[in-house]
Amino acid sequence: GNSVTQMEGPVTLSEEAFLTINCTYTATGYPSLFWYVQYPGEGLQLLLKATKADDKGSNKGFEATYRKETTSFHLEKGSVQVSDSAVYFCALSDSTGNQFYFGTGTSLTVIP
Amino acid sequence: GAGVSQSPRYKVAKRGQDVALRCDPISGHVSLFWYQQALGQGPEFLTYFQNEAQLDKSGLPSDRFFAERPEGSVSTLKIQRTQQEDSAVYLCASSLGGTGRDTQYFGPGTRLTVL
Repeated sequence: GNSVTQMEGPVTLSEEAFLTINCTYTATGYPSLFWYVQYPGEGLQLLLKATKADDKGSNKGFEATYRKETTSFHLEKGSVQVSDSAVYFCALSDSTGNQFYFGTGTSLTVIP
Repeated sequence: GAGVSQSPRYKVAKRGQDVALRCDPISGHVSLFWYQQALGQGPEFLTYFQNEAQLDKSGLPSDRFFAERPEGSVSTLKIQRTQQEDSAVYLCASSLGGTGRDTQYFGPGTRLTVL
């Protein structure tokens, strides 16, 4: 079946540190991959996505590359800010587009 | 413009009661998803609509759960004979296109507590 496994949190970093949140997936066919973010007190929102192998999604300084050979979609940011404190969810849409799977979420706190 | 709205925002039910949760998607959005999110977990897929057609309901945990979107806009998730394990936040999301590959816009959720 389809599933997403992401790095457990919580993660605490100092401002300007490098961030990696690992995400691996299991899927049949050709899924699309996503990172969604939930800021404190807000609803889930899309951060970035990639729809095919080797695609790189990017937004707000965050990047993730769809690696089919390692079934991974790790989230990275070179220099985090306090405003990046949030819960980050890796997710996939199956080949049909009719089902969607989230990871368990990784809580990030950035301290000044 | 208006985002996805859900009502009620909070619902407390006694075990055995029936509840109905409403989702108003963004106008014109074709796709609508329902998710169940337990505390500290990621959202779990329940069901998917494309317009009024329910294309996938494989995530509904039991036959006590039922969802509909009769006119391809507003959707209702109904839970019959609620149990304590149904306590969770129920999220609705809509997207403009006809698949989950498109950006989903999430509502604020309905927090259901079953006593």
